[in-house]
Amino acid sequence: DARVTQTPRDKVTEMGQEVTMRCQPILGHNTVFWYRQTMMQGLELLAYFRNRAPLDDSGMPKDRFSAEMPDATLATLKIQPSEPRDSAVYFCASGLGTSGGAADTQYFGPGTRLTVL
Amino acid sequence: AQSVSQHNHHVILSEAASLELGCNYSYGGTVNLFWYVQYPGQHLQLLLKYFSGDPLVKGIKGFEAEFIKSKFSFNLRKPSVQWSDTAEYFCAVGDGGATNKLIFGTGTLLAVQP
Repeated sequence: DARVTQTPRDKVTEMGQEVTMRCQPILGHNTVFWYRQTMMQGLELLAYFRNRAPLDDSGMPKDRFSAEMPDATLATLKIQPSEPRDSAVYFCASGLGTSGGAADTQYFGPGTRLTVL
Repeated sequence: AQSVSQHNHHVILSEAASLELGCNYSYGGTVNLFWYVQYPGQHLQLLLKYFSGDPLVKGIKGFEAEFIKSKFSFNLRKPSVQWSDTAEYFCAVGDGGATNKLIFGTGTLLAVQP
């Protein structure tokens, strides 16, 4: 049963520290999405990749957030420096997108619960 | 810009009651429509999806949804809810492109009382 995996599941850190969250998409999926979930804002799309290339990161605060895909099996979301307002659950999702056609469903990972003190 | 509205933020039902959760979207082009469920403390799971064809879509766990294009709606229904259906339900619209970027509604928290 293929699943999206995320590490760490929980992270507590202090303001100003660097945070790196990792995601392993389902093997064979070529689209990867990062979402943030908070009580106030709900689910927000931060960034997404297709075939490892970033397509849109307009939902992400550029000054402190960065997202990369070093290879097809790993996506990272980094916050430096972290702030208390970054406290949220960060979800990664993957899917299969084909050029010229409708993409498949997105499959979500279990999320990383980030608390910045 | 695309947007998704879920009318009910919090719904409380007794077991065996019928459920209908509203979802409206604004997008002029081809859309893909989804309902996801998030059980307490868990990640989002797909309930059902509509890409094309029969506008009445059957999903898992007895859920269904009907796409009404003229009303820009995709309401979720279940004839008889169970306590285990207690969860948060999210409607989402995808732009139908090769990446299928999703815009989510704000979610509806359903509490089913035994």
